[in-house]
Amino acid sequence: QKEVEQDPGPLSVPEGAIVSLNCTYSNSAFQYFMWYRQYSRKGPELLMYTYSSGNKEDGRFTAQVDKSSKYISLFIRDSQPSDSATYLCAMTLQGAQKLVFGQGTRLTINP
Amino acid sequence: DGGITQSPKYLFRKEGQNVTLSCEQNLNHDAMYWYRQDPGQGLRLIYYSQIVNDFQKGDIAEGYSVSREKKESFPLTVTSAQKNPTAFYLCASAERGGSPLHFGNGTRLTVT
Repeated sequence: QKEVEQDPGPLSVPEGAIVSLNCTYSNSAFQYFMWYRQYSRKGPELLMYTYSSGNKEDGRFTAQVDKSSKYISLFIRDSQPSDSATYLCAMTLQGAQKLVFGQGTRLTINP
Repeated sequence: DGGITQSPKYLFRKEGQNVTLSCEQNLNHDAMYWYRQDPGQGLRLIYYSQIVNDFQKGDIAEGYSVSREKKESFPLTVTSAQKNPTAFYLCASAERGGSPLHFGNGTRLTVT
């Protein structure tokens, strides 16, 4: 079993829809959670960074962490075609030297 | 502008040749990383370095080598011992180990 599980998709939704992307993990010691967005033929860029449980909002994006369920989510409101990309979750624990990544979910927003 | 520069963007090599991928950062970050990305497989860690003149193997280090002689630079050599070298290679840096990563825009290596 992988340490972090992420549905690879692909996920295709109409413009304006609310998108929900999710990851589950097995290591209860993870404390720091990240979402990256990767456009085709580009490097991933950091989208959201959260610590421990709770919600964090940035514009149309909301990151949610539920440590009790070992489950994190990224919500995209009013989705736009420019949101079409691969979204990767990542997480780590205090003092760790590296991140653990999910496989990435490929998302397409259809105009 | 601060960032990570990977060069070249595309690289073609014949089987049996070693090739070195460049990675430079001007973010003053201590930690640097090399990942390999294949379709449907996510990111796989090749090597990482927390400090100059020190580096550790990641999950798929066989057939690769690195050096960290300067804080700003972390070149990756893909040797002829790497059985399946064709892939998209990503370099990243972080303030310290475990911090969020800043990625370069990758080098696509094709070996024929």
